[in-house]
Amino acid sequence: DADVTQTPRNRITKTGKRIMLECSQTKGHDRMYWYRQDPGLGLQLIYYSFDVKDINKGEISDGYSVSRQAQAKFSLSLESAIPNQTALYFCATSDRGEQFFGPGTRLTVL
Amino acid sequence: LAKTTQPISMDSYEGQEVNITCSHNNIATNDYITWYQQFPSQGPRFIIQGYKTKVTNEVASLFIPADRKSSTLSLPRVSLSDTAVYYCLVGDARGSSNTGKLIFGQGTTLQVKP
Repeated sequence: DADVTQTPRNRITKTGKRIMLECSQTKGHDRMYWYRQDPGLGLQLIYYSFDVKDINKGEISDGYSVSRQAQAKFSLSLESAIPNQTALYFCATSDRGEQFFGPGTRLTVL
Repeated sequence: LAKTTQPISMDSYEGQEVNITCSHNNIATNDYITWYQQFPSQGPRFIIQGYKTKVTNEVASLFIPADRKSSTLSLPRVSLSDTAVYYCLVGDARGSSNTGKLIFGQGTTLQVKP
């Protein structure tokens, strides 16, 4: 089984809808991250969390919110989706060293 | 966090050694240099990390000069499966500070040809 899982893997939604992307990890790491990747570009950090009670904004947090329900779960929400949020979203975990990435969620906002 | 500059793309042939250089002129004393590999539609995968001089593991070597303003990722005898995007990052991913953030640039797209 994969150490970092993301659901759903693909999602198509409409402008204005609220969307939640979920991430679960079995690595026992305290640190979790959400990134987005636009075609041909590197990853941009949206939010990161060092433990259940510690949530921090990244480079591009506007339009997004997160919830750290447990050490193993970190969810990303798009409050009111817009087309320019169409991207590939990655969750990652770390234990103060290298980051381990999930398989990604491809989100399309029409 | 230090900004990095690397070539947008590189071509190579199977069996050759590939060297990808990254510039990071503003690297801080506590920063480590980390390289990730990303295949299409997959999350990045850690390759190697170093602080100074040379680091080698089973897949790559990382050369860092004394001034640490640049680094070179060396992939020995590449194969078609090494075709990917390679990202150079500098930062406190080791956890020496309290952020652990990684700042990704555009990366270098390596195309390995038969």
